[in-house]
Amino acid sequence: EPEVTQTPSHQVTQMGQEVILRCVPISNHLYFYWYRQILGQKVEFLVSFYNNEISEKSEIFDDQFSVERPDGSNFTLKIRSTKLEDSAMYFCASRPPQSAYEQYFGPGTRLTVT
Amino acid sequence: ILNVEQSPQSLHVQEGDSTNFTCSFPSSNFYALHWYRWETAKSPEALFVMTLNGDEKKKGRISATLNTKEGYSYLYIKGSQPEDSATYLCASVDRGSTLGRLYFGRGTQLTVWP
Repeated sequence: EPEVTQTPSHQVTQMGQEVILRCVPISNHLYFYWYRQILGQKVEFLVSFYNNEISEKSEIFDDQFSVERPDGSNFTLKIRSTKLEDSAMYFCASRPPQSAYEQYFGPGTRLTVT
Repeated sequence: ILNVEQSPQSLHVQEGDSTNFTCSFPSSNFYALHWYRWETAKSPEALFVMTLNGDEKKKGRISATLNTKEGYSYLYIKGSQPEDSATYLCASVDRGSTLGRLYFGRGTQLTVWP
């Protein structure tokens, strides 16, 4: 069964460094999302993406964050200058064109900022 | 921001027990309610998506109901097994969201003891 994959599974970085989290959505899906979960808190929405444009973003998704679908298969989340409070599990999700609802999640990338 | 709440936060049951947990969400502007099952180090797995008041869905021993007028959903597990141990997340979608942004609860962590 097709699945969403994410790399790396765990990334450790120093404060102020740039990180890129990578996702490969399911191949015929058209809608893409990033969420994150800070330890002990709710999973929270960051951004949704369709047709090479951001569709919706949360207040968390400030100028330090960007998303890209560079080659038609990967979907990336870049954090330009990481802060300690960016430490979280980051999930990518995708949705097929025929579904108005169901989002398929990847296993997440645990980002640790030291 | 939608406030989605789940209870209890954690639950420990014996194998064979039946159990249920609750998700509450704002009823105004409701569009859809998702239930996910999430095991550590794995992708959150979609269980149900419900949209209509009175919806009942079933998948094996797991079932869910939806009341959109009062803003709650119940998830039931009949005859719990150790492999049901996981965190169960619910997420609500607001009618105003363009691509179905999910607002999650904190989850109910279920442990089933053999």
